[in-house]
Amino acid sequence: GQSLEQPSEVTAVEGAIVQINCTYQTSGFYGLSWYQQHDGGAPTFLSYNALDGLEETGRFSSFLSRSDSYGYLLLQELQMKDSASYFCALLSGGYNKLIFGAGTRLAVHP
Amino acid sequence: GAVVSQHPSRVICKSGTSVKIECRSLDFQATTMFWYRQFPKQSLMLMATSNEGSKATYEQGVEKDKFLINHASLTLSTLTVTSAHPEDSSFYICSARMGLAINEQFFGPGTRLTVL
Repeated sequence: GQSLEQPSEVTAVEGAIVQINCTYQTSGFYGLSWYQQHDGGAPTFLSYNALDGLEETGRFSSFLSRSDSYGYLLLQELQMKDSASYFCALLSGGYNKLIFGAGTRLAVHP
Repeated sequence: GAVVSQHPSRVICKSGTSVKIECRSLDFQATTMFWYRQFPKQSLMLMATSNEGSKATYEQGVEKDKFLINHASLTLSTLTVTSAHPEDSSFYICSARMGLAINEQFFGPGTRLTVL
């Protein structure tokens, strides 16, 4: 089966940089993706890594190391609106489904 | 951007009744739809995967007679919670996939089910 681990909570101040780590176990790796979810809302896609290295999308970047079964999401120039839950998710079953980690609640303070 | 809607957004029902939740892809045809369940401050747990015109594939531990999924068309999937009990109270989220790329999977806004 698959499993993912990420910190439950992270706190940061506006303008800062925060890194949310994710380690995973899977028998077949197809990709690691990241989602943002505000309370009571829909998860929205942020980033995806299938190969090792860094993917940059504006203020958000995601990194993957397949040899270490590890990835992270980097959020720069934090804003209050970035306060939300962030989930890493494994693509599983030959690209067919997403398996989510427990989520990291990010609180951004002034 | 692609939009996935769910209806209703909130539902409160009595124990023992059945509740139907609709998931629609509004501006695209979904090759596959997924149903997730989320408890407060917890992860999204995949319940089942459905393709139009075929039976849903349920994840281990999910009762298929309890959670009935009908994928009637390329834009509509329904989840029926049968004989609901308070432990079924949760946030149910559907997701629709437009293509094979991961950024072509879009999530609905969720349905908050409360069973009294």
